[in-house]
Amino acid sequence: SQTIHQWPATLVQPVGSPLSLECTVEGTSNPNLYWYRQAAGRGLQLLFYSVGIGQISSEVPQNLSASRPQDRQFILSSKKLLLSDSGFYLCAWTLLADLTDTQYFGPGTRLTVL
Amino acid sequence: TQLLEQSPQFLSIQEGENLTVYCNSSSVFSSLQWYRQEPGEGPVLLVTVVTGGEVKKLKRLTFQFGDARKDSSLHITAAQPGDTGLYLCAGAASGTYKYIFGTGTRLKVLA
Repeated sequence: SQTIHQWPATLVQPVGSPLSLECTVEGTSNPNLYWYRQAAGRGLQLLFYSVGIGQISSEVPQNLSASRPQDRQFILSSKKLLLSDSGFYLCAWTLLADLTDTQYFGPGTRLTVL
Repeated sequence: TQLLEQSPQFLSIQEGENLTVYCNSSSVFSSLQWYRQEPGEGPVLLVTVVTGGEVKKLKRLTFQFGDARKDSSLHITAAQPGDTGLYLCAGAASGTYKYIFGTGTRLKVLA
């Protein structure tokens, strides 16, 4: 069966520090991968998505970036964090090139920037 | 820009009551999904609707996709405390691999 991992689960970082969040998927090949950010009790904001290795589509201009160095690995990074980067970061995957397919979400990373 | 607005934003009801959550947009979506999310966890899919006018039932939950595929509703019959959570709709954006999420409805069912 397929499994999605995210780490770390919780992170507290000072303003201006770098960031690296990792997401890996097991049990499938060539998934579509997504990074979302969620404010408390609100909907999800799509940040990046990838349909293949090295292919990244950015949805919002910001100080965040994403990379997909391997088929089942998706990394979210920042060189300098802002207070507004605080939130709950979720990674998700879908298998088929079919938008009726289920999105499976990871457990999320709670990021607090102080 | 495709947007999905959910209403109400918050809902607190007594156990046994019925409720409806709405998900509206001015854009057409190729499919629409409903998720429920518990605090500190990722959303979990409840249903996907694809055809305009489609109605799907999942026990006490009834989901409907609008005829024009611009809106959807979730109706819960005889709500229970276990239904408490954040309900999210998500539309598949036409011509892309993107999903647009709604603003969310936080439901609390009191025993």
